[in-house]
Amino acid sequence: EAQVTQNPRYLITVTGKKLTVTCSQNMNHEYMSWYRQDPGLGLRQIYYSMNVEVTDKGDVPEGYKVSRKEKRNFPLILESPSPNQTSLYFCASRGRREANYGYTFGSGTRLTVV
Amino acid sequence: GNSVTQMEGPVTLSEEAFLTINCTYTATGYPSLFWYVQYPGEGLQLLLKATKADDKGSNKGFEATYRKETTSFHLEKGSVQVSDSAVYFCALSQGGSEKLVFGKGTKLTVNP
Repeated sequence: EAQVTQNPRYLITVTGKKLTVTCSQNMNHEYMSWYRQDPGLGLRQIYYSMNVEVTDKGDVPEGYKVSRKEKRNFPLILESPSPNQTSLYFCASRGRREANYGYTFGSGTRLTVV
Repeated sequence: GNSVTQMEGPVTLSEEAFLTINCTYTATGYPSLFWYVQYPGEGLQLLLKATKADDKGSNKGFEATYRKETTSFHLEKGSVQVSDSAVYFCALSQGGSEKLVFGKGTKLTVNP
């Protein structure tokens, strides 16, 4: 089944403790993105990647890092999480030829930083 | 910059009622337009799309028409079901950009 898989689904952590949210897609997609969803703000892009070793900032990149060492994986790294990063996070991917078809989204990771 | 404005929710309807969720956008040129749906506890799913003016996207009884003259992409369904209860997001993407610009979402609750 074609899908975007995020792990974990739920995570509670403490301020300052480094964490990684993994994202993997099995569709051989070139493009991948991370979004965060907050009440009243909708979804905002954090980072995106156009292919292996090619990444760029979205609208809200502060406090996050990403890497794209393999085509299928696009982990989101929080080096020193803070409470304002408590949010629902989504990974998404699409193929190069699917610019007009929208992204496929993962099921989300609900992160709470205390 | 590009932006999407959709009607504030929540929207509560009875089963078989007619649904309209308004969406307008601001963008240069001709963006692609999307409606995504998020069922409780799940990720976003693409509901329908339109890539050029006057295109009509449709899926699962939902429809939306790309209106360039009014910069709108309103979502409609003639007869909603309880299973349509979800949050609906209007979004656009501009050629050359990898960013989907989302509206804030509209929560729909359909009562039996």
